[in-house]
Amino acid sequence: EVQLVESGGGLVKPGGSLRLSCAASGFTFSSYSMYWVRQPPGKGLEWVSSFSSVSNSRDYADSVKGRFTISRDNAKNSLYLQMDSLRADDTAIYYCARVKWGGEQLGPFDYWGQGTLVTVSS
Amino acid sequence: DIQMTQTPSSLSASVGDRVTITCRASQDITNYLNWYQQKLGKAPRLLIIDASNLETGVPSRFSGSGSATDFTFTISSLQPEDIATYYCQQYDNLPITFGQGTRLEIK
Repeated sequence: EVQLVESGGGLVKPGGSLRLSCAASGFTFSSYSMYWVRQPPGKGLEWVSSFSSVSNSRDYADSVKGRFTISRDNAKNSLYLQMDSLRADDTAIYYCARVKWGGEQLGPFDYWGQGTLVTVSS
Repeated sequence: DIQMTQTPSSLSASVGDRVTITCRASQDITNYLNWYQQKLGKAPRLLIIDASNLETGVPSRFSGSGSATDFTFTISSLQPEDIATYYCQQYDNLPITFGQGTRLEIK
């Protein structure tokens, strides 16, 4: 059974840092592109960052570029998001998600984690 | 960036009704359009792939159509468990973008 489990969320002050983790199981993690998608409270879905399994390229939304860093450890079946210089508008539930088709950078997200809440507030 | 305009933003319908949601892309995305259902407090669930293909395990009352810039999502006979917010999403290129969502309620 495919599972994605996020952790690392919490309350942090503006300007602070957090590192989110996403533990994957039930599939060959190294073969799949992985994404972070966030959802501010009561609002819609926003792509944050992605790590391609095809080219190992990392991409970021303009809103987080230069502040967030995505990484993955295929030996540990884990995806990470290092978030620095956090701002109030980064407050959201952060989901990791898998692209349905192994070997593709872009595609539908067939599995999502349960999400981890990040709150940026003084 | 490709903008996805989803309408309506909210919808109230009765059990058994046919429900339709539309999604318009700001440029041609061929059929790289997916639909998701998100129930309160849960992660999104993939329903429709590439505009019209039902994801495995999704009930057949859900369907999608369209291409290029105009897409439609339909529930043929609304059920109580369909109460949720529905999102379209394009993956023609990065940044992937979502519609604003349609909140569906039961009358």
